[in-house]
Amino acid sequence: EAGVVQSPRYKIIEKKQPVAFWCNPISGHNTLYWYRQNLGQGPELLIRYENEEAVDDSQLPKDRFSAERLKGVDSTLKIQPAELGDSAVYLCASSPNSGTRKEQYFGPGTRLTVT
Amino acid sequence: GQSLEQPSEVTAVEGAIVQINCTYQTSGFYGLSWYQQHDGGAPTFLSYNALDGLEETGRFSSFLSRSDSYGYLLLQELQMKDSASYFCAVRGGGYQKVTFGTGTKLQVIP
Repeated sequence: EAGVVQSPRYKIIEKKQPVAFWCNPISGHNTLYWYRQNLGQGPELLIRYENEEAVDDSQLPKDRFSAERLKGVDSTLKIQPAELGDSAVYLCASSPNSGTRKEQYFGPGTRLTVT
Repeated sequence: GQSLEQPSEVTAVEGAIVQINCTYQTSGFYGLSWYQQHDGGAPTFLSYNALDGLEETGRFSSFLSRSDSYGYLLLQELQMKDSASYFCAVRGGGYQKVTFGTGTKLQVIP
């Protein structure tokens, strides 16, 4: 079974430029998460989708961040314009539909550097 | 909101046992999970507790006390490859929101 796929793996941009990250979850997983992780910190939830519906986007900085999950499968996270403080690893994760554990399977992440 | 506390660093000897504690605050508790993350890698799921008591998975065990809002991860027969960061994560609230702790960096020494 293929894992969560993310691209790109690395991105370097200048501040004020736009950037987009793409995620393909594990097949059949309806729940998809986007996290931001700073060095030495735990993952911070940005947005959670159940199918194509964003059920928790309370920590998404909506003035510059946007996300979509078309057809309830792939998802894209965008930042426009990027700021220096956005430098971090952006992780995508998905959870299976059945069971109560709701364990999350993480992708390798996109390491963003804003200069 | 939700919050968690766990020690920032722990050092243990190869072959020994180590316990990583986690205290949490949340409303409407659903469960406590543990994840392992090696440097430069992605978090991987280790265990989940929804009810009080001990869950064992090989060398790893996880314990939960809901009345104390407390849990721990127990790693036995430590190996060098267990050197990593360990995160507890609580699921709770109306949307079953998941919040991760800041992580405990475990260093296993020979």
